[in-house]
Amino acid sequence: SAVISQKPSRDICQRGTSLTIQCQVDSQVTMMFWYRQQPGQSLTLIATANQGSEATYESGFVIDKFPISRPNLTFSTLTVSNMSPEDSSIYLCSARTGLDTGELFFGEGSRLTVL
Amino acid sequence: AQTVTQSQPEMSVQEAETVTLSCTYDTSESDYYLFWYKQPPSRQMILVIRQEAYKQQNATENRFSVNFQKAAKSFSLKISDSQLGDAAMYFCAYRSARDSWGKLQFGAGTQVVVTP
Repeated sequence: SAVISQKPSRDICQRGTSLTIQCQVDSQVTMMFWYRQQPGQSLTLIATANQGSEATYESGFVIDKFPISRPNLTFSTLTVSNMSPEDSSIYLCSARTGLDTGELFFGEGSRLTVL
Repeated sequence: AQTVTQSQPEMSVQEAETVTLSCTYDTSESDYYLFWYKQPPSRQMILVIRQEAYKQQNATENRFSVNFQKAAKSFSLKISDSQLGDAAMYFCAYRSARDSWGKLQFGAGTQVVVTP
């Protein structure tokens, strides 16, 4: 298993600003994923982060808006750039361990509110 | 592309009773994983149960069990002896075995309300 910590847990941001969310795993993991959960909605995959290479984005998400870093096997960041109220969501970091049993492990999420 | 459908936005159950959540999925693949995750108000996504498509036997984890019908592409979750702590949003999720990266696709979720 893997224990995933995210910071910040929640934040209130002003329109037009950017915020970086950090994701720290307590063990080395292979793939890391960033999901967005808009209010009352399901989880939508933003991008997949593989260590040492550029993140792969899903349709509808672009690097300029959601730049991602994955500098090592235990850490990743997601930046939400030039925020608007529509970016108000929970952002969840998840990871797959090397012992792939199929599931993903999740952080507790970062709740962003954009005013 | 695969889709995961949860048709029940909310289900209510009394303590100690049983509730069944439905999930259907659409895929052309024969090898995949299916999951049920629980998300309480704390936002933490917790794995409830996992099913590998090649296994005919339905997975069980204590009070949680699934009814996996591969031909019908159905994957329902049964919660027995419901407890107040079971109140949460439950998401059904799919992962293709071909996807070496391992990303999950989620359904819309079902809110489970447990009444005393």
